[in-house]
Amino acid sequence: EVQLLESGGGLVQPGGSLRLSCSASGFTFSSYTMTWVRQVPGKGLEWVSLINGRGGITYYADSVKGRFTISRDNSKNTLYLEMNSLRAEDTAVYYCAKHIRISVWHFDLWGRGTLVTVSS
Amino acid sequence: EIILTQSPGTLSLSPGERATLSCRASQSISSSYLAWYQQKPGQAPRLLIYGASSRATGIPDRFSGSGSGTDFTLTISRLEPEDFAVYYCQQYVTSPPSLTFGGGTKVEIK
Repeated sequence: EVQLLESGGGLVQPGGSLRLSCSASGFTFSSYTMTWVRQVPGKGLEWVSLINGRGGITYYADSVKGRFTISRDNSKNTLYLEMNSLRAEDTAVYYCAKHIRISVWHFDLWGRGTLVTVSS
Repeated sequence: EIILTQSPGTLSLSPGERATLSCRASQSISSSYLAWYQQKPGQAPRLLIYGASSRATGIPDRFSGSGSGTDFTLTISRLEPEDFAVYYCQQYVTSPPSLTFGGGTKVEIK
């Protein structure tokens, strides 16, 4: 079955760190650019970061640049998001998503999301 | 950063009616870089349309996209009960890299 499954969310204090994982199955993971998108409950969608298939190209939204790091392990079919210096405004459901194809930044497969809550 | 403005914020319609959703960009974008997603409560978004007018795999033909430049439209020709949801448009540019979503349009049952 083609699917993405996020994990690693939870409650963390402001200034803390968390690492999210996204396990992929059913497709050739290394062939696809992957993205993280977040959504404050009840609000809209915000793109966070993307990484190309080989892991050598990464981009970040200004809101997370310098604090978040995206990476992937193609041998484990897993995408990661390392989040440091977390703030209350980082509270959201975090989705991983698969790009349609190389150099197209639209997403045809999404995980179910994992909730990150930043609060003291 | 390109801002996408979706209107209306909420659309109240009955099953069988036609829905027309608008997405306006703050500057001209390539139609190749515009997509539409559907999101139902408690679910992840689902890709409907990419490249402004191409239907994603498995999307019924009652969904269609059109537009160019700064004005794009998602049309649902006849609303089915499962179509009541929130719809987002999304664009990207690669140089410098940026990707944004619109604020969403909620299609609710009248």
